[in-house]
Amino acid sequence: QSVLTQPPSVSGAPGQRVTISCTGSSSNIGAGYDVHWYQQLPGTAPKLLIYGNSNRPSGVPDRFSGSKSGTSASLAISGLQAEDEADYYCQSYDSSLSEVFGTGTKVTVL
Amino acid sequence: EVQLVESGGGLVQPGGSLRLSCAASGFTFSSYWMSWVRQAPGKGLEWVANIKQDGSEKYYVDSVKGRFTISRDNAKNSLYLQMNSLRAEDTAVYYCARVGGITGTTWFDPWGQGTLVTVSS
Repeated sequence: QSVLTQPPSVSGAPGQRVTISCTGSSSNIGAGYDVHWYQQLPGTAPKLLIYGNSNRPSGVPDRFSGSKSGTSASLAISGLQAEDEADYYCQSYDSSLSEVFGTGTKVTVL
Repeated sequence: EVQLVESGGGLVQPGGSLRLSCAASGFTFSSYWMSWVRQAPGKGLEWVANIKQDGSEKYYVDSVKGRFTISRDNAKNSLYLQMNSLRAEDTAVYYCARVGGITGTTWFDPWGQGTLVTVSS
């Protein structure tokens, strides 16, 4: 029952820049709630990648950047590397008193 | 090092019960909200429940209300999820996660390795 919509997949060649969109509504992202992003490598637990729309936790490369506008948010990966091949999820808060995740996007490095 | 280790998963019949545990270490457990998040096989992430530092506030996703109970024991640095009346659709890897931020802008970091719950006859 994801209320945040992401493209199922994106791909790019090594070194390229890819972006992942996260579209919400007036009850979550559009209500002003922050967006956070997670990276899930195959067979592992999710890892926090971006918090508070655009902040990177310590240790996350600056190739990863986040932004938010209106009812949507975006994650950009510049200088794409083979190790970036993973599933990516956005997350926000909904005024229905629940945390909500995006549908998830699989990034493939060609 | 901050660490979360889940346990208690397994195979259970529909209608059965299971109690998951999460052992926390490397941080002051009693100072943080905590959460359970699940992921059905091959599917996306779904938030399940949150609990406040002192256990006085608890929130659940609609699909588990009345069936699941989140709790904590700050003296034991442990988080729990009591799951009753289990259904096939509850089959998932269940992750324990520490909550960062403040109400309205909270994120999950770090996450445990997860424990698999399979509901099947």
